Amino acid sequence: QKEVEQDPGPLSVPEGAIVSLNCTYSNSAFQYFMWYRQYSRKGPELLMYTYSSGNKEDGRFTAQVDKSSKYISLFIRDSQPSDSATYLCAMRLTSGGGADGLTFGKGTHLIIQP
Amino acid sequence: DTAVSQTPKYLVTQMGNDKSIKCEQNLGHDTMYWYKQDSKKFLKIMFSYNNKELIINETVPNRFSPKSPDKAHLNLHINSLELGDSAVYFCATTQDRGSDTQYFGPGTRLTVL
Repeated sequence: QKEVEQDPGPLSVPEGAIVSLNCTYSNSAFQYFMWYRQYSRKGPELLMYTYSSGNKEDGRFTAQVDKSSKYISLFIRDSQPSDSATYLCAMRLTSGGGADGLTFGKGTHLIIQP
Repeated sequence: DTAVSQTPKYLVTQMGNDKSIKCEQNLGHDTMYWYKQDSKKFLKIMFSYNNKELIINETVPNRFSPKSPDKAHLNLHINSLELGDSAVYFCATTQDRGSDTQYFGPGTRLTVL
């Protein structure tokens, strides 16, 4: 079993829909969780960063962590065509350390249909 | 003005050749990284470089060598290219070793024929 599992998609939804993107992980010691957005032919950019369990909201985006289930989610409300991208989850054991110990999922390709 | 830039954007070359990919950042960050994203989209760290301290992912073949002429640049040199080296290579930076927020370059798509 890989450390971080993420359905590659593609996931296609109509504009305005609520999107749910998910990752599961096997290492219960992960404490810091991130979501990156990667547009086609571009590098990833950090979208959300959360610590431990709970929710974090930023505009139309909500990140949710359930450590008991080893499951994290990213919700996008009122989805727009500009949200079409690949979304990668990432996680680490401790804070700091840059890329050291950072484990990525393979990303979910999201398509928002106008 | 692009924060993290890479050249070239695309690189097509023959097996056995030696090639370099360049990365430049104008953020004044202390730490730079090279990642490889393979055809299955897995993003894996290859190197971390901070104040001349190089941390190598042990799975990276020694045909790959990062070189930093100064704090703003971290180049990746690859010797004796193999078919399996075909991938997108991303440069990234963080303000320092303790920061979590990474800034990625646009990537270099390497194809080895």
